[in-house]
Amino acid sequence: QVQLVESGGGVVQPGKSLRLSCAASGFMFSRNAMHWVRQAPGKGLEWVAVISSDERNKYYADSVKGQFTISRDNSKNTLYLQMNSLGIDDTAVYYCAREDYRSGTIYGMDVWGQGTTVTVSS
Amino acid sequence: DIQMTQSPSTLSASLGDRVTITCRASQSISSWLAWYQQKPGKAPKLLIYKASSLKTGVPSRFSGSGSGTEFTLTIGSLQADDFATYYCQHYNSYPYTFGQGTWLEIK
Repeated sequence: QVQLVESGGGVVQPGKSLRLSCAASGFMFSRNAMHWVRQAPGKGLEWVAVISSDERNKYYADSVKGQFTISRDNSKNTLYLQMNSLGIDDTAVYYCAREDYRSGTIYGMDVWGQGTTVTVSS
Repeated sequence: DIQMTQSPSTLSASLGDRVTITCRASQSISSWLAWYQQKPGKAPKLLIYKASSLKTGVPSRFSGSGSGTEFTLTIGSLQADDFATYYCQHYNSYPYTFGQGTWLEIK
């Protein structure tokens, strides 16, 4: 079945780096733009970044621009989020999500992973 | 950046009630709006896309309307499974911002 599975979360000290992965299965991964969305404890959803299906285009939230890098390996059906210089404010559950796009219309983020927790703490 | 403002932040309702949640965009986003439902400890679930189109498999008691800057999500007759947090999100341009969420609780 269509599935996204995140990994790579954990406890990390402020200023350190972490790379998250999102393994896709059950669909043609290379055809979809992919997003990262995060949710700090007890807070709402925050869109983080997007990468186009062909990796050419990447966009970031202002809060992570220059700090996070989104990438993908279509041969491995995997999405990544490289997070550098982590701060307390980056503590959150990080979700990857598929953008459903067909015939010129975006149908929203229709498939989500279960999330991976990143805790930044000394 | 486009800001999304939801109201109310919390909504108390009873089983069988009809409820409406409002989402306002800081500038026109045409119909590029989605609604998501999230339950505690779970990933968000897409309900509505393009402001008023129901995702396949989502119960018909959910409906969306609006365009431009004003949007609504209506739940026709609340079921026990509907008590959750709801978010709107625009996808008119990057960044794709979310509203702050509306927590729908049992009265």
